[in-house]
Amino acid sequence: GAVVSQHPSRVICKSGTSVKIECRSLDFQATTMFWYRQFPKQSLMLMATSNEGSKATYEQGVEKDKFLINHASLTLSTLTVTSAHPEDSSFYICSALTGTAQNTEAFFGQGTRLTVV
Amino acid sequence: GENVEQHPSTLSVQEGDSAVIKCTYSDSASNYFPWYKQELGKRPQLIIDIRSNVGEKKDQRIAVTLNKTAKHFSLHITETQPEDSAVYFCAAGIPTFGRGTSLIVHP
Repeated sequence: GAVVSQHPSRVICKSGTSVKIECRSLDFQATTMFWYRQFPKQSLMLMATSNEGSKATYEQGVEKDKFLINHASLTLSTLTVTSAHPEDSSFYICSALTGTAQNTEAFFGQGTRLTVV
Repeated sequence: GENVEQHPSTLSVQEGDSAVIKCTYSDSASNYFPWYKQELGKRPQLIIDIRSNVGEKKDQRIAVTLNKTAKHFSLHITETQPEDSAVYFCAAGIPTFGRGTSLIVHP
């Protein structure tokens, strides 16, 4: 299947700093990528939909100024957690769509474990 | 938007038994229903999917059924093995997921 690479896999940062997470589609072009957040023993909660060349669409309750998303190319989307706080500590995971409108499949990155201290 | 309900949240079975996980969805326009398996700290992996033009799909020990009229779909795992233990998520369309089912298979 298609490959989505997410980097870094783990990051520890100090409170108040910013962290950038990259999501790359390695062998296909992805006009749409999704960013999720997952707390322990919980489901994947959609944060935002990243569209290449346009502004991201954020889910209700997700602060767009805190979680900056950039999708500047067909193979790369980035999520920047700005002014991180301990409550931002979570597992962040991206996915990218591939295929046609009639046959679409989502592939996930490895996820990023963010710990804010 | 789409709303997906998944039950049960936890399912404990003995090795060799069958396991069934059920999901309902709200958007009648949804036409793609994937199931993912996620092991602790890892990415979700697609295990099977079904589209709205079929009612059932099977792949070895795993099967999925879809009832579009009732807007529900189910995952069936037969002859469960300890390595089937994981969290399973259903989804309706992309990208809305159910809450997940923690499947525990006891040897």
